[in-house]
Amino acid sequence: NAGVTQTPKFQVLKTGQSMTLQCAQDMNHNSMYWYRQDPGMGLRLIYYSASEGTTDKGEVPNGYNVSRLNKREFSLRLESAAPSQTSVYFCASRGYTYEQYFGPGTRLTVT
Amino acid sequence: AQKITQTQPGMFVQEKEAVTLDCTYDTSDPSYGLFWYKQPSSGEMIFLIYQGSYDQQNATEGRYSLNFQKARKSANLVISASQLGDSAMYFCAMSAKGGTSYGKLTFGQGTILTVHP
Repeated sequence: NAGVTQTPKFQVLKTGQSMTLQCAQDMNHNSMYWYRQDPGMGLRLIYYSASEGTTDKGEVPNGYNVSRLNKREFSLRLESAAPSQTSVYFCASRGYTYEQYFGPGTRLTVT
Repeated sequence: AQKITQTQPGMFVQEKEAVTLDCTYDTSDPSYGLFWYKQPSSGEMIFLIYQGSYDQQNATEGRYSLNFQKARKSANLVISASQLGDSAMYFCAMSAKGGTSYGKLTFGQGTILTVHP
């Protein structure tokens, strides 16, 4: 039982490059979330998916797209990376209770 | 819109003493949940404790307790008998409990706790 897994753990991109962050959970949770954490700050919600087949914007969605591929997987895509997207990205999932389970994070640097 | 404010950028405590980390919130939702997370230097987010807005009693989980004062809109975390391993960043967060906002967490900026031996 791995919980929430994220790949990659680290990534360096040049401005304008694209990439997809992968997230998977094995807890059969309906809801999944993507957050970003900038240095010295709390997490901010980028996008979320309340259930398979649905996605919606969070607080800071600009520059990102998401795909809820199936119940297990929720990916985050940066189409044209910018230095302002340098951050640590966390994926989380939630079942029927209040608790969100977080993945280990992806540290992304855009130069 | 929801807002979480943590006014203590850093706190220091002696090992085995108790410490209180402050959190105030603002929301127009009638039903909501309040959370505390710990983030050690390794970076993972560890769930500590949860309080529902309609819960009659303050939540407790081992050495963690949440001092919930609804009228003051505060949800302070109390750590008793601090240990060196408690040194970390602590985040207060909240979520509405109904409608499309259910489960979407809003975080404060965090408080860095340092436990001295």
